[in-house]
Amino acid sequence: EIVLTQSPGTLSLSPGERATLSCRASQSVSISYLAWYQQKPGQAPRLLVYGASSRATGIPDRFSGSGSGTDFTLTISRLEPEDFAIYYCQQFGTSPYTFGLGTKLEIK
Amino acid sequence: QVQLQQWGAGLLKPSETLSLTCVVSGGSLGIYQWSWIRQSPGKGLEWIGEINRSGNTNYNPSLKTRVSLSIDTAQNQFSLTLYSMTAADSAVYYCARGGGSDYWGQGTLVTVSS
Repeated sequence: EIVLTQSPGTLSLSPGERATLSCRASQSVSISYLAWYQQKPGQAPRLLVYGASSRATGIPDRFSGSGSGTDFTLTISRLEPEDFAIYYCQQFGTSPYTFGLGTKLEIK
Repeated sequence: QVQLQQWGAGLLKPSETLSLTCVVSGGSLGIYQWSWIRQSPGKGLEWIGEINRSGNTNYNPSLKTRVSLSIDTAQNQFSLTLYSMTAADSAVYYCARGGGSDYWGQGTLVTVSS
């Protein structure tokens, strides 16, 4: 199965700063099948980005995804207080579909 | 607005069977895949499997011998059955639409304990 490694494990930043989250795959992932999610405590994950770079409905444009092959990035251009959460990448192009272990974005 | 509402027993004894159902409102089952995903502190997010309206299934090999997904197009719902539950299966179980899941159920906390 494809293993997704997210880094860093924890990212400590202040509101207004830029966040860059990485997701590296153990083998090539089609960009059509790479997604990013945000999860807050007690809530289901929320789809942010699909197809590696397309924002899901209602997602602010401060969120952007990029990458191809085995290296993907989620960038949050200017952090808002509500952005502090855990972020997961997922590939759903090769079964079994897999998720990374997440990056916790915390307030510095 | 599509909504997924899931229900089922949350407390099981070892060797019992988990049964969860997810009803879709605000839209039809359509052309989508319908997924089950679970989340535990020890294993993170784990994809269990998916089913489409034709009943075609795709399971995670790690659970394939114990899992069954079904779909009821008349009731606009789909279900998860997981046999021979153990403590390692304790997790929050989610239903969701699609492989890249844009709609999720509220989650069901399932605890397996004697």
